[in-house]
This record gives sequence, C-alpha cells and structure tokens, in this order.
Amino acid sequence: GEDVEQSLFLSVREGDSSVINCTYTDSSSTYLYWYKQEPGAGLQLLTYIFSNMDMKQDQRLTVLLNKKDKHLSLRIADTQTGDSAIYFCAESERSGGGADGLTFGKGTHLIIQP
Amino acid sequence: EAGVVQSPRYKIIEKKQPVAFWCNPISGHNTLYWYRQNLGQGPELLIRYENEEAVDDSQLPKDRFSAERLKGVDSTLKIQPAELGDSAVYLCASSFSYEQYFGPGTRLTVT
Repeated sequence: GEDVEQSLFLSVREGDSSVINCTYTDSSSTYLYWYKQEPGAGLQLLTYIFSNMDMKQDQRLTVLLNKKDKHLSLRIADTQTGDSAIYFCAESERSGGGADGLTFGKGTHLIIQP
Repeated sequence: EAGVVQSPRYKIIEKKQPVAFWCNPISGHNTLYWYRQNLGQGPELLIRYENEEAVDDSQLPKDRFSAERLKGVDSTLKIQPAELGDSAVYLCASSFSYEQYFGPGTRLTVT
C-alpha cells in the first residue's frame, strides 16, 4: 500500500537552512505536497510539486523531487522562530475531476534553536 | 476569500453518545474531504465527495460513522455511538483542482 515516511524531529539554529526529507512508495503519485501545522491549528498548504517536475522555488522554500528514488525534500532558507511547527509531506493521485485524498507522513517537528 | 469553516471547534462527549461535525467548504470547491488526525500522526482520509457523490468512502467505519453532503456544499460527519478510540481531530478540506485547503478541525474528546 501507499506509505510516506519522514523523520520525526529536526533541530536547526535560527538563520540556518532547514532541510526536511520525505520518501514515498507509490510510483503513481501525481502530486506531492508540503503542509505546515502549528499547535492547535489546521494544516496550511505551503507548496506542492507535480511529479513531472524536479524542483520548485517559492520565496524561502525550495522543493526538490527525485522521482527515481521517490525522495522529496523541503528546504527553508534563513529559518526563523515562526517556522517552528510540524511539517507534513503528502502525496496524491488524480482521478476523475479532482485529486484523491492525500496520504500523509507522520510529520517532522522542526525545532528552532536561538 | 473565506477559508474552510468547521464547527464546533471542540467537543467533549461520553462514550456511546452521538456527535456531529459540520463543514462549509471554500466557495466553488466541488471536492470535499473528511480526515481524522490521531495524536502524533498525520491525517487519514475518511471520505471524499465530488459534489454530492461520495466517491471514496473505503476508510470510513460504516458501522458507526456516516456522512452527507446535501446540495453539494456543506457536509456533516456523524458518529453514533462514539467510542473512546474516536478521540481525535476531525479535519475537513476542500479543493477545486489539486490544491487541498484544510479547516481548523474539530477536536473530539470521548470520555
């Protein structure tokens, strides 16, 4: 079945870059996403990438996709205290008129050290 | 533009009681999803609607869970009767194409 794996914790110093990694098993994944969840809040869509792309940059965020290895990463440049949250990797296929439900990893807790 | 609205935000009930959650998706979004998020886990899909039609309910525990989306807009998820293991955050999401936007969730505690 589908599976998405992430490391549970990442600790970085303020101002450094954070790199959060994710691996997935479903070779038919069409869309790959990164969501951010702060305590007590819902999930905020950060960025996404189609499986026919290998890189996407959006301000401080860079997503890299290695489709051969089924590896996805999220790089956050100049990490700030406000980036402290849980980051979820998710994948989806597309069927019919819309995207299938997302399959999520367990999330990576990003801890910012002053 | 208003986001996905869910109510209530918090609900505490005793086991064997019924409970219902309501979701209003983003205007124009024809796809609606219900997810359940257990503590320390990522969300898991319960059901997906395309307009009024439930197109994927394979993960919905149908013995006690039910959902409806009348007129293809608002949706209600119901649990009857609730069990201790149902304690979780219930998230609603909506999409027009491939971007899924989530509501704030309903935190259910079953005692």
